[in-house]
Amino acid sequence: DAGVTQSPTHLIKTRGQHVTLRCSPISGHKSVSWYQQVLGQGPQFIFQYYEKEERGRGNFPDRFSARQFPNYSSELNVNALLLGDSALYLCASSGTGKTGELFFGEGSRLTVL
Amino acid sequence: SQQGEEDPQALSIQEGENATMNCSYKTSINNLQWYRQNSGRGLVHLILIRSNEREKHSGRLRVTLDTSKKSSSLLITASRAADTASYFCATGVVASEGAQKLVFGQGTRLTINP
Repeated sequence: DAGVTQSPTHLIKTRGQHVTLRCSPISGHKSVSWYQQVLGQGPQFIFQYYEKEERGRGNFPDRFSARQFPNYSSELNVNALLLGDSALYLCASSGTGKTGELFFGEGSRLTVL
Repeated sequence: SQQGEEDPQALSIQEGENATMNCSYKTSINNLQWYRQNSGRGLVHLILIRSNEREKHSGRLRVTLDTSKKSSSLLITASRAADTASYFCATGVVASEGAQKLVFGQGTRLTINP
C-alpha cells in the first residue's frame, strides 16, 4: 500500500513568491496535518484537517493557508515567501481513531533565496 | 514553540551498547510518542505510550513515562549501525474525534559507531 506522498520533493523560490505543496494521505485516512521543520529543530505544527474541515492551526502567520479536498488530499499554500520559510514541510495522515499515531511523508524541501 | 526538551542533544555510542534518550514536557498530555528521522527524510513512528501507562516495550525499544515529573525516556537496546538517526519525542493532545496536535522536542542525534 502506498504511504503518504508529497510533491514536489524539492523546490527553490525567491522572496515574495508563492508556493503550493501537495499531499496525498494513506488510503482510508481522513486526517491530514502539516508540519514545518527548520534545519536542526523538531517539526512545528502548522495545520490539521479532518473531513475537509480545519481542526487545528499552529502559530503561523496568515501567509500560510491550507485546504483538504473531497478525496482527502491536501494543499499547503504559502504567500509572500520569506527567507525564514526555508524548511522541510512534512505532511502526515492518520485514521479516524484516537490513537494519535501519525504517518509522515518524505517532505517537501523548500529553499527561499 | 517546542514543548519538549530532549537530553542529550547528541549521543555517540558503540554498536551493541544501549542508548537512552530523555524527554521532558510542560503541559498535560493524552499520549507521548517517539519518532525516528533519518537525515533530511520523513519521520517514522516508533512507539506511543498513553498518559495512563508507565512503561511500554516494542522489540528493542523500551519507553517509560512519568506524568508526575512530565518526563519520558526511550531505551534502545543492543544498538545497531542502522539505528543512527535523530529521535524526537512528541506530546499528543487529542481534543476530539479527528483533532490532534503533536508538539515535538528538539531531538536527539544518535550515532552508532561500528
